[in-house]
Amino acid sequence: AQRVTQPEKLLSVFKGAPVELKCNYSYSGSPELFWYVQYSRQRLQLLLRHISRESIKGFTADLNKGETSFHLKKPFAQEEDSAMYYCALSGYNQGGKLIFGQGTELSVKP
Amino acid sequence: DGGITQSPKYLFRKEGQNVTLSCEQNLNHDAMYWYRQDPGQGLRLIYYSQIVNDFQKGDIAEGYSVSREKKESFPLTVTSAQKNPTAFYLCASSLQGTSNQPQHFGDGTRLSIL
Repeated sequence: AQRVTQPEKLLSVFKGAPVELKCNYSYSGSPELFWYVQYSRQRLQLLLRHISRESIKGFTADLNKGETSFHLKKPFAQEEDSAMYYCALSGYNQGGKLIFGQGTELSVKP
Repeated sequence: DGGITQSPKYLFRKEGQNVTLSCEQNLNHDAMYWYRQDPGQGLRLIYYSQIVNDFQKGDIAEGYSVSREKKESFPLTVTSAQKNPTAFYLCASSLQGTSNQPQHFGDGTRLSIL
């Protein structure tokens, strides 16, 4: 079964601390992995995807096929990073549909 | 960013009533999607369409119907058969219905039962 798991509902860190949002997936094949973010009063938007191998707003995510994980990391959290983060998977030849994790709310305290 | 427009923002449904949620995009995207968001459950796929005049059921299609008569429009009807319709509904689109295409989302419609 295809599944995305984000084990933490809420992650609270202080400004300047490192942050890691966990994402594990279950998929029999090579999926495309994404991180989407929803800031307060804004629409859900793409943060980054594994095929791009880029850093967006200081965030990076590495696809680990052995551990079937796609954790999102940032070395120094900022208050403006506070948001809801969703990990999502898209399978090959499945019409581009996304399977989402339950989401992790990141709260960065001053 | 008015690429995807969902209306209305809030919608109330009476028992036994069908309601239709509008989703329009001006991004010239081929693929469109409807998701339902419930607290603590993330987003779940209701229906999706890779091309005009074609659509497929998602994971929770029961009690919903869609049409895709125009490329830019993908309305969702919540029928009376949907027993628990109270939720936040998100529409999305992507350039093509392939796995490597990111999706662009609308602002959502919140549906409640009167």
